[in-house]
Amino acid sequence: DQQVKQNSPSLSVQEGRISILNCDYTNSMFDYFLWYKKYPAEGPTFLISISSIKDKNEDGRFTVFLNKSAKHLSLHIVPSQPGDSAVYFCAASDSGGGADGLTFGKGTHLIIQP
Amino acid sequence: EPEVTQTPSHQVTQMGQEVILRCVPISNHLYFYWYRQILGQKVEFLVSFYNNEISEKSEIFDDQFSVERPDGSNFTLKIRSTKLEDSAMYFCASAGQVMGTEAFFGQGTRLTVV
Repeated sequence: DQQVKQNSPSLSVQEGRISILNCDYTNSMFDYFLWYKKYPAEGPTFLISISSIKDKNEDGRFTVFLNKSAKHLSLHIVPSQPGDSAVYFCAASDSGGGADGLTFGKGTHLIIQP
Repeated sequence: EPEVTQTPSHQVTQMGQEVILRCVPISNHLYFYWYRQILGQKVEFLVSFYNNEISEKSEIFDDQFSVERPDGSNFTLKIRSTKLEDSAMYFCASAGQVMGTEAFFGQGTRLTVV
């Protein structure tokens, strides 16, 4: 039962180009979405979030887009840098925000090539 | 920068033994969480804790698991009688408030049950 799906286990992007990571969800009760980044041997690090009342949130090089009708969100990183190489997790919550019972996707391993 | 710290970083235990995983959340945070990630699988929610009691728990969090905040700084996860399938990375997280605030994760404890 995968309520949050990241269908690309890995993604390779050239440095300087745009990285687009995708996430789909099935639970219509989800109202808050987060992206976490994880390096090996470290815990997930919060990147950016979006509430269901918005369709876009931007923070520096990172932008998250939410399409509620399609139950789809995406993370755009532009321009991509070598330090962006990591596993990116999409997570969703149905409790109005925060971390109560976050449901995570399986992650997408982003590789930035020089 | 404040951070969530977890000890030990790696714990090896024999099947049937009890283990206690320790976490020091960020000092002014009010909400505390445990998540786990079995190797190759997604990050899974275990339990959330607020005001000295469990506020939400998943199906994974059965009677062999318990959490405690024994003093003002530590937050512990106890597994009473470990099983081989409990082998995983266990992440502690804390958040200042539930609504619209992301959780900060610790670096994780790798539990290996042999």
